[in-house]
Amino acid sequence: EAQVTQNPRYLITVTGKKLTVTCSQNMNHEYMSWYRQDPGLGLRQIYYSMNVEVTDKGDVPEGYKVSRKEKRNFPLILESPSPNQTSLYFCASSSRWGQKNTEAFFGQGTRLTVV
Amino acid sequence: AQSVTQLGSHVSVSEGALVLLRCNYSSSVPPYLFWYVQYPNQGLQLLLKYTSAATLVKGINGFEAEFKKSETSFHLTKPSAHMSDAAEYFCAVSVYTGGFKTIFGAGTRLFVKA
Repeated sequence: EAQVTQNPRYLITVTGKKLTVTCSQNMNHEYMSWYRQDPGLGLRQIYYSMNVEVTDKGDVPEGYKVSRKEKRNFPLILESPSPNQTSLYFCASSSRWGQKNTEAFFGQGTRLTVV
Repeated sequence: AQSVTQLGSHVSVSEGALVLLRCNYSSSVPPYLFWYVQYPNQGLQLLLKYTSAATLVKGINGFEAEFKKSETSFHLTKPSAHMSDAAEYFCAVSVYTGGFKTIFGAGTRLFVKA
């Protein structure tokens, strides 16, 4: 089954404690991205990756890091989480731009609370 | 720069009534346009997409949308609402300008009354 898998689904942590949210896709997609969803703001792109070892900032990259060492995985790293990073996070993947199926496939989301 | 505006953060309709969710976009290059649906505690699921082919696009669950370039709109419609349509709906625009960029609207929550 084609899917994007995020872990964990729920996480409560304390300010300053480094954490990683994992994302894996099994569709051999080149493109992956991370979004955060906040009420009234829709989804805002944090980082995206066009392919292995190629990453770039989205609209709200501050406080986040990513890496793309393998095609299937795109972890999101919060080196020193702060309460304003409390949010619902989604990972998404899609095939290369210009191909027929360019829509994004989303993970189930990770609800992060930073206290 | 690209942007997406969804008119109305909440829309309420009666079961069996027409559903109309509005989306306007701006883009300096030809865009791809999408509607996604989000059910509670779930990720986003694609409803339909416009990728420069037919301007009237049909999607899943009886939804359709019409791309109107002159109005820069991509409104989502369904002739007859069902209780199971209650969810949040997001319009999105994607462009490629050396990098892949997707912008989402703020979302419209659809309520369906019995």
